[in-house]
Amino acid sequence: QSVLTQPPSASGTPGQRVTISCSGSSSDIGSETVHWYQKLPGAAPKLLIYSNNLRPSGVPERFSGSKSGTSASLSISGLQSEDEADYYCAAWDDSLNVYVLGTGTEVTVL
Amino acid sequence: QVQLVQSGAEVKKPGASVKVSCQASGYTFTNYYIHWVRQAPGQGLEWLAIFNPSGGSTAYGQNFQGRVTVTGDTSTSTVYMELSSLRSEDTAVFYCARSNAKYSGLSHWGQGTLVTVSS
Repeated sequence: QSVLTQPPSASGTPGQRVTISCSGSSSDIGSETVHWYQKLPGAAPKLLIYSNNLRPSGVPERFSGSKSGTSASLSISGLQSEDEADYYCAAWDDSLNVYVLGTGTEVTVL
Repeated sequence: QVQLVQSGAEVKKPGASVKVSCQASGYTFTNYYIHWVRQAPGQGLEWLAIFNPSGGSTAYGQNFQGRVTVTGDTSTSTVYMELSSLRSEDTAVFYCARSNAKYSGLSHWGQGTLVTVSS
């Protein structure tokens, strides 16, 4: 099963900016929009960014997304302690007809 | 408000099957897709399947082809995910989630169902 590649971990101090990368292929990120999810222990995943760079209602403006070619990134500016979580990117794969999830990145607030 | 309510925790023996339900409310059931995603202990999120309540079409993840079956009942706005030939590695929390289209973000999630596979 294909996956999108993310760094296993990222960290920053409160107030810093953290960026997480997500690498895919021409049939997933290269063809479709990218979405990002926040996963806290014991809770269901939460949609953080959809269609590359849009925030659902209620998601703080410090979360932003971008996409270029077959890669995407999630940035958290003004890092806060409550941002400590796992983050996953995702995209539909047009050729395999499956939803591809990233390997996940654990964000730690130092 | 949109709600996805899943069935309760299950304990199964290796080789058995499990069927998890996801009942939708607060929106027109046939207008949105339902996905199934799981997370094993200490592992990442893994996508299993997508179901289109309008017509009943499905697509399954490569790792689960032949072992997972997703069905729906429009009369009760419920989607079912059945996973067969269970092994210990299938111990996980299973989630259902809703999307506007197959390629869209998963905007609403069920509370999760813990499936434990143990002899």
